[in-house]
Amino acid sequence: GAVVSQHPSWVICKSGTSVKIECRSLDFQATTMFWYRQFPKQSLMLMATSNEGSKATYEQGVEKDKFLINHASLTLSTLTVTSAHPEDSSFYICSAPPRRGSEKLFFGSGTQLSVL
Amino acid sequence: KQEVTQIPAALSVPEGENLVLNCSFTDSAIYNLQWFRQDPGKGLTSLLLIQSSQREQTSGRLNASLDKSSGRSTLYIAASQPGDSATYLCAVRGSNFGNEKLTFGTGTRLTIIP
Repeated sequence: GAVVSQHPSWVICKSGTSVKIECRSLDFQATTMFWYRQFPKQSLMLMATSNEGSKATYEQGVEKDKFLINHASLTLSTLTVTSAHPEDSSFYICSAPPRRGSEKLFFGSGTQLSVL
Repeated sequence: KQEVTQIPAALSVPEGENLVLNCSFTDSAIYNLQWFRQDPGKGLTSLLLIQSSQREQTSGRLNASLDKSSGRSTLYIAASQPGDSATYLCAVRGSNFGNEKLTFGTGTRLTIIP
């Protein structure tokens, strides 16, 4: 089946630094990538939707200048948390449909971000 | 705004027992409902997808039902095994244009006791 590779699995950083999370589709072209975050004991919440070659669409309340999304190729989407602060500590996970219009979603393994 | 609730938040049962996980949603205008499994430190694995026009789906020891009008779904796991231990999430996809995103529940953390 389709695989989405997400790196890193976990990262610890100092407050004020930027962190980049990568998601690669290994055996399909991901024209769309969904980015979610999950705080402890809470639901996965959609942050933004990225489409290859165009600007990402952000959900209400998500700062686009803080969470930079790049989807420059059909196999790679990145999320950069800029000037991270402790409140950004969360589990970030990406997902992509294997083809346009598919109802299935394949998820990355997630990234646990801890900001000190 | 769609809200998805899962009860219980955690469940422990002895190996071999059958069990039911519950999911409820507030807006019945859904396109489909999915059940996922989430293992610690790993991504989500899709278990079952039920279209809004369907009432149930089965895969192996898993059976998911959907009652759209009452806003409820259940995931039935038969003859539970220790390998079933994980967090189970349900998610609904909205059917209204511009509302196609998935809304997840908070999950049920299942522990199967050997």
